[in-house]
Amino acid sequence: GENVEQHPSTLSVQEGDSAVIKCTYSDSASNYFPWYKQELGKGPQLIIDIRSNVGEKKDQRIAVTLNKTAKHFSLHITETQPEDSAVYFCAASIPGTYKYIFGTGTRLKVLA
Amino acid sequence: EAGVAQSPRYKIIEKRQSVAFWCNPISGHATLYWYQQILGQGPKLLIQFQNNGVVDDSQLPKDRFSAERLKGVDSTLKIQPAKLEDSAVYLCASSPKSGGTYEQYFGPGTRLTVT
Repeated sequence: GENVEQHPSTLSVQEGDSAVIKCTYSDSASNYFPWYKQELGKGPQLIIDIRSNVGEKKDQRIAVTLNKTAKHFSLHITETQPEDSAVYFCAASIPGTYKYIFGTGTRLKVLA
Repeated sequence: EAGVAQSPRYKIIEKRQSVAFWCNPISGHATLYWYQQILGQGPKLLIQFQNNGVVDDSQLPKDRFSAERLKGVDSTLKIQPAKLEDSAVYLCASSPKSGGTYEQYFGPGTRLTVT
């Protein structure tokens, strides 16, 4: 079945620097890849997603890239701010369904 | 638009006791999911409903967990009897279309501690 690996598990950056989180997936038939941000005591919030027919998608300071050949996708946050501090989860759809398998999460700390 | 509502937010019980969680999805969302999130891990799907029917409960430990979605709106997840390893956050999520979209919107979760 589908498996998603996420790295790094923790990431600390200085305010204003960029942050990159990487995920790999195992099933080449996966076609939807969302990214979620989870703040302490809250549920995951969808921040950006990408479908397999697109290589890159950008929304203000965040962007996601997808390499289908290598079966990996990445989240890029530019000009990081303290409020970006949270746990970020990637996910990949299970082929033939609308369900996801989540990665293990990355705790991002933006240092002021 | 109101988000996914869950209650209670926190629950502490002793092992072998029973507990129930409630979820009210975003209005009009046909698909509802229950996830278990153990500390330090990503959410793991327990059960998926479409309207009031179960689509997938393959990951639900049916000897102790049960869930229902009456009238295709609210849902409850029950654990009876609870074990120590059930300590986790239980998340409810909903999707806006009947099988036609991938986006899932999560509630704040219920944090369960089993002592």
